[in-house]
Amino acid sequence: DTEVTQTPKHLVMGMTNKKSLKCEQHMGHRAMYWYKQKAKKPPELMFVYSYEKLSINESVPSRFSPECPNSSLLNLHLHALQPEDSALYLCASSQAATSGYEQYFGPGTRLTVT
Amino acid sequence: DQQVKQNSPSLSVQEGRISILNCDYTNSMFDYFLWYKKYPAEGPTFLISISSIKDKNEDGRFTVFLNKSAKHLSLHIVPSQPGDSAVYFCAASEWGGYGQNFVFGPGTRLSVLP
Repeated sequence: DTEVTQTPKHLVMGMTNKKSLKCEQHMGHRAMYWYKQKAKKPPELMFVYSYEKLSINESVPSRFSPECPNSSLLNLHLHALQPEDSALYLCASSQAATSGYEQYFGPGTRLTVT
Repeated sequence: DQQVKQNSPSLSVQEGRISILNCDYTNSMFDYFLWYKKYPAEGPTFLISISSIKDKNEDGRFTVFLNKSAKHLSLHIVPSQPGDSAVYFCAASEWGGYGQNFVFGPGTRLSVLP
């Protein structure tokens, strides 16, 4: 099983809403990642969790709040987003956060902020 | 400043011929390189990787070549098939001390013509 699942597939939210994106993997991977991808651009790293601890936060605004409840789950809590935050949000996992491990990506959540 | 560059935004190849996708990087600390394929509305799919101690890695129709002195890698697909039509991202990572930090190139759209 090399699947990373993400829910929901699509999300439309207003600027005052609070919503959460969810990601799950059952490959026993100990590193999980959130990426943001705008149209026709490469994925940009947002957060890295290693052994359920946040290890990299690429200067992401506080309106994005990650959470790793256990080694299989990764959430991204959204609050007071801006229209420019509309993008595809990708979750990925790898065996470890050390060099030499490929990342497996989920299908993404397409977020539209109105 | 882009650390990973893919200078060809698009490439068209006849079915059965070789596809060569190129990638250049600027950060000499990168030690692990990957190629991902991405279809519309899906997350990137891992294709093949190479670590900096090797200069070639092969997996079926896919071969990745790494030239460290030139800071250049390439992906060869032989023979190309219509199902290979997708956007191909080159990615590079370094061990940043706190976790593996992947940087993606802008992507090359490959079209394999029947």
